[in-house]
Order: sequence, then structure tokens, then C-alpha cells
Amino acid sequence: DAGVIQSPRHEVTEMGQEVTLRCKPISGHDYLFWYRQTMMRGLELLIYFNNNVPIDDSGMPEDRFSAKMPNASFSTLKIQPSEPRDSAVYFCASSSAGGPSSSGELFFGEGSRLTVL
Amino acid sequence: RKEVEQDPGPFNVPEGATVAFNCTYSNSASQSFFWYRQDCRKEPKLLMSVYSSGNEDGRFTAQLNRASQYISLLIRDSKLSDSATYLCVVNIGGNKLVFGAGTILRVKS
Repeated sequence: DAGVIQSPRHEVTEMGQEVTLRCKPISGHDYLFWYRQTMMRGLELLIYFNNNVPIDDSGMPEDRFSAKMPNASFSTLKIQPSEPRDSAVYFCASSSAGGPSSSGELFFGEGSRLTVL
Repeated sequence: RKEVEQDPGPFNVPEGATVAFNCTYSNSASQSFFWYRQDCRKEPKLLMSVYSSGNEDGRFTAQLNRASQYISLLIRDSKLSDSATYLCVVNIGGNKLVFGAGTILRVKS
């Protein structure tokens, strides 16, 4: 089975531009998470979905950030407008029924490395 | 105070050494605990869960002390391939996993 698939793997953009990151979770997983990783702050949970419904978006830093999950096999994280401090690796992860609270297993994608100039 | 705190290291150890990492968490209501491993420029992957009674998986032993809100990971007979960043992870409720900043391990020949 394919793992979590993220695109693009790398994105370099200029301040003020819109950025859209995409994620395809593992088939059959009903939890999807967006994390951001920087050297200074480590891995931060931005938002997570259960059965395509956003459950907790308290980690979304600002209104510039938005996430959607229109169906079970696709999610997007959008930043508009982007700023240099948004530069980070953005990870998408999925988990099977019951979520990671019991098994602890989040399956991460390879990440999207974003650089905002 | 951060929810999950780890010594960032790096821990530089020779092959065959035993090394231990510690982690503290702030939320006493935290329900479950894990160690993840992240190789350089790769995604994190689950290493092992941490159970109240302590648990072992080959050369790896995890311990939990709820009273002190403290988690540990012991690696025996270190291998070069153990070089990575080890992330302490705490479930603070629901399905919210909070990751520590990680401890860097470098095993040298």
C-alpha cells in the first residue's frame, strides 16, 4: 500500500504569494493531521480532521492559514498571503480508526519543505 | 513551560554504548506516551509506545513515571544505525499528540 503522499516536496515562493500544500492519506485512515516543523519550535500540530471534519484547529497560527478536506482521500493546507516566517517543513499524517491516542501511530508523509523569500 | 521537554543533545556515543534519554511533560492528565524516531531530513516514525509498567523492544527499553511526569528511553548496545533524533510524544487528550523538540543521538565507530 502507498503511504501518505504529499505534494509539492519543495516549494520556494515570494512573500505575499499563495501557497497550497496537498496531502493524500493512507486509504482507509479516517484521521488526518497537519504538522509544521521548524528548528526553533519543533513539530507543531496545526489542525486535525476526523472523517473529513475539522476537529481541532487551535494550532493554526493565523487567519492566513486554512485547511480543507473535501473527501476522504484529499486534504489541502493553504497559506495566503505567505510570509518568510512560514518557512518550515509541513507534514501531513494519517491514522486509522480510533486515532493515534491508543496505538500512537501516526503515519507521516515525506513532508513539503516551504521556503518563503 | 513547554508541554513536552527534552534535552536536545547531541549525545555522542561509541558503538556498543548504552545511552538514555529523558523527557518531562507538563499535563498531568496526559494519557498515553510514545517515542518516535526521525532520521535527518525524513519524516518521524513510531519507535515504541511507553507503558506504565515499562516495556522493552529488543535493545530499547521505555519507562514511565507518572508521579514525576517523566519518560525515559534506554538504548543498549548502540549501533551506527541508531543515529537519529528521538522524539518524546505525549497524548494530551483526544487525539492530540504533542511532540518534544527531540534529542539528537550520534553513534560513532
